[in-house]
Amino acid sequence: DIQMTQSPSTLSASVGDRVTITCRASQSISRWLAWYQQKPGKVPNLLIYQASTLESGVPSRFSGSGSGTEFTLTIGSLQPDDFATYYCQQYKSYWTFGQGTKVEIK
Amino acid sequence: EVQLVQSGAEVKKPGESLKISCKGTGYSFTNYWIAWVRQMPGKGLEWMGIIYPGDSDTRYSPSFQGQVTISADKSIRTAYLQWSSLKASDTAMYYCARPQGVGNWNDASDLWGQGTLVTVSS
Repeated sequence: DIQMTQSPSTLSASVGDRVTITCRASQSISRWLAWYQQKPGKVPNLLIYQASTLESGVPSRFSGSGSGTEFTLTIGSLQPDDFATYYCQQYKSYWTFGQGTKVEIK
Repeated sequence: EVQLVQSGAEVKKPGESLKISCKGTGYSFTNYWIAWVRQMPGKGLEWMGIIYPGDSDTRYSPSFQGQVTISADKSIRTAYLQWSSLKASDTAMYYCARPQGVGNWNDASDLWGQGTLVTVSS
């Protein structure tokens, strides 16, 4: 099985901050990686797929990079609507999700 | 409208059986895989398994193999997740989700059901 490890688990930030979340795969997954945002009581929402392709309708302040085993999600300027939990997902070999990163208000 | 509509919340006792559903509308149901994802209270997302309604080809996560059964009835555009004997530890929100690509299981999901909350308590 491919394991996905996100860091940090929790991140405290302020509106306007640049935020970076890291996701590491236990083996190479090329660019078979997606990022989701989930707010409490809501369904996960796809932000980025193929490591860096922005899903339609997602604000351009979100960006993704990486390949192989190391990936990052960056929020260029954190907005009030961005406080949520973020998950990475590999889909090279079925699906595995990272444990999540909660972005909270500092 | 393209959507996945899941059955309603369930409250069950340990040892009982349960089958929850996920109906796909607005797209070619038989040409896309459907995955099931568990989210236990306050926890992250866990992939349980996936089915191709076109021919009922099914794959399971090793963590869930033998614990649940995934099936589909393409005539009514519905996928199912079932348990034969529930445990308290099955208490969770269960989502169905559709990978983006036609015929691809190895894809991100841009379409999720609204979730079905299953509560197992004596």
